[in-house]
Amino acid sequence: DQQVKQNSPSLSVQEGRISILNCDYTNSMFDYFLWYKKYPAEGPTFLISISSIKDKNEDGRFTVFLNKSAKHLSLHIVPSQPGDSAVYFCAASAYKNTGNQFYFGTGTSLTVIP
Amino acid sequence: EAQVTQNPRYLITVTGKKLTVTCSQNMNHEYMSWYRQDPGLGLRQIYYSMNVEVTDKGDVPEGYKVSRKEKRNFPLILESPSPNQTSLYFCASSMRRNYGYTFGSGTRLTVV
Repeated sequence: DQQVKQNSPSLSVQEGRISILNCDYTNSMFDYFLWYKKYPAEGPTFLISISSIKDKNEDGRFTVFLNKSAKHLSLHIVPSQPGDSAVYFCAASAYKNTGNQFYFGTGTSLTVIP
Repeated sequence: EAQVTQNPRYLITVTGKKLTVTCSQNMNHEYMSWYRQDPGLGLRQIYYSMNVEVTDKGDVPEGYKVSRKEKRNFPLILESPSPNQTSLYFCASSMRRNYGYTFGSGTRLTVV
């Protein structure tokens, strides 16, 4: 049972415009959320994260929004650049006293068109 | 260079032949994890560890074992590999609980 879902397998955006990637989750115990970017033949790279006590976190061109009541988070990339073309994964974590148990979505492939 | 190193990068093996995928990090990170990536399923966590001798099962631990005898190393052991363990495997580490992880480059395993 997928606890973290990314319902859009792919997204195409013009260079300079906004990219919005969405993620939904089912477990209300998740308290930390992250976005990773992945290029082919490489491991994922951490992009940005947000704690459940916040509703927004910004880092340069990347902003993550969290709507706890809707169990929804989104990643905004503004402006989008061709180098942003990659697969984006969202991930969620709930506290465990043995470490970090993470659940990942299935990914959204972003293509930024020059 | 700060990194997570996995070996081997590619491996083809036969059903039932025990194998170990090694993972080592040089960042003195306490938290480490193993994942597998399969088409249409995203990344699924196999095992995780928050420090030496502290490990726990992730979402898909069946058929795998891990050990954490030293902080820097977190090997993944397949005692009796089966074809359904054919996958792309990633090891990752982090300095603290609520922090982004650094991933290795992956190990492509094929079990025939």
